[in-house]
Amino acid sequence: SQQGEEDPQALSIQEGENATMNCSYKTSINNLQWYRQNSGRGLVHLILIRSNEREKHSGRLRVTLDTSKKSSSLLITASRAADTASYFCATDVAGNMLTFGGGTRLMVKP
Amino acid sequence: DSGVTQTPKHLITATGQRVTLRCSPRSGDLSVYWYQQSLDQGLQFLIQYYNGEERAKGNILERFSAQQFPDLHSELNLSSLELGDSALYFCASRPPRGANTEAFFGQGTRLTVV
Repeated sequence: SQQGEEDPQALSIQEGENATMNCSYKTSINNLQWYRQNSGRGLVHLILIRSNEREKHSGRLRVTLDTSKKSSSLLITASRAADTASYFCATDVAGNMLTFGGGTRLMVKP
Repeated sequence: DSGVTQTPKHLITATGQRVTLRCSPRSGDLSVYWYQQSLDQGLQFLIQYYNGEERAKGNILERFSAQQFPDLHSELNLSSLELGDSALYFCASRPPRGANTEAFFGQGTRLTVV
């Protein structure tokens, strides 16, 4: 079974709106990472948040981590049509493998 | 460009056949991970190698095997292929500086079993 589960599975918004995706996981982690995948392409790393961090920013991205609830959220502000992609969270448990969730498919309409 | 190279990009083969997928990690990266992504699904972890040795194993079928060579490139061998093995297969590598590092993904090999 997946360690991480994203919610929602699909999200459709208008350009300029904010997009929020959530990720829940099951076990204690070293860090949680968010990746983006354009259709059928390789995954691209967006941001990494360590287990002792609560919030992190990178450009229009904001990630939060709540280890007590075993959950994380990714906020994309002022979305653009080019943000259309699938977004995955991945948990790093022991510095070895990254376990991915099922992803959120984001569509940003121009 | 992530620096991770996967070949071939596309592969079409018949059921029962065997194929080999190849991955070259980023220069300096010792870890190689293999993932399978079926249509519209998440990534399923298959196996990880670190500096030539198997480090972690996921839900990898017995029909599948992998290895990492002294030059650190890796191969994933898929045998007795079934229609359900059709998927994108990704390789990723990570820097050797320990935990809290990101993974760099190749562009994947799209396998179609007919």
